[in-house]
Amino acid sequence: QQPVQSPQAVILREGEDAVINCSSSKALYSVHWYRQKHGEAPVFLMILLKGGEQKGHEKISASFNEKKQQSSLYLTASQLSYSGTYFCGTEGPNNNDMRFGAGTRLTVKP
Amino acid sequence: NAGVTQTPKFQVLKTGQSMTLQCAQDMNHNSMYWYRQDPGMGLRLIYYSASEGTTDKGEVPNGYNVSRLNKREFSLRLESAAPSQTSVYFCASSSPKLGGINSPLHFGNGTRLTVT
Repeated sequence: QQPVQSPQAVILREGEDAVINCSSSKALYSVHWYRQKHGEAPVFLMILLKGGEQKGHEKISASFNEKKQQSSLYLTASQLSYSGTYFCGTEGPNNNDMRFGAGTRLTVKP
Repeated sequence: NAGVTQTPKFQVLKTGQSMTLQCAQDMNHNSMYWYRQDPGMGLRLIYYSASEGTTDKGEVPNGYNVSRLNKREFSLRLESAAPSQTSVYFCASSSPKLGGINSPLHFGNGTRLTVT
């Protein structure tokens, strides 16, 4: 029961915006977002909790639509440092383990 | 703070050999996880331990065993390595409260395993 992410890859110029989507086939308590740079471990960005508010991290924000079981990550005025692969994570069948989407590779060019 | 420490960082095995990947965390977290990451694919859960003394299968458990030695340590064992197990392995920990996974996962730096 992995979440499904789209798009698979995005190429941007500095200053442009992007949206990454994540959807699940099961009801969710939370959605996580992580970023992974090449050759490094994933790093936590934010959690969105059921019934919670939209979160933000620098110029990166996210929303969580519980009814649609979807989340979106918004990257505003992208910077070169935003390049990497973004993963969403959701609970597995037992609600005590984390399953990740296949990832969205974001490339920001000067 | 060390966070999550994985050893070794790199390993090359021959088909049929066995080995154990070690993971330790110093954040007093209850939950620990083992993931594998293959090129072009996301992180796939192998096994996890929601608390000391318990372990459960994830998405891709075949060919692996785990041991939650104590609250700090969670090891992953390959009994008879196969080329299909060539991957990058990540250990992670978290400390969820109440239901769901409502606290961040902290990842180790990974173990790059090649099976020839």
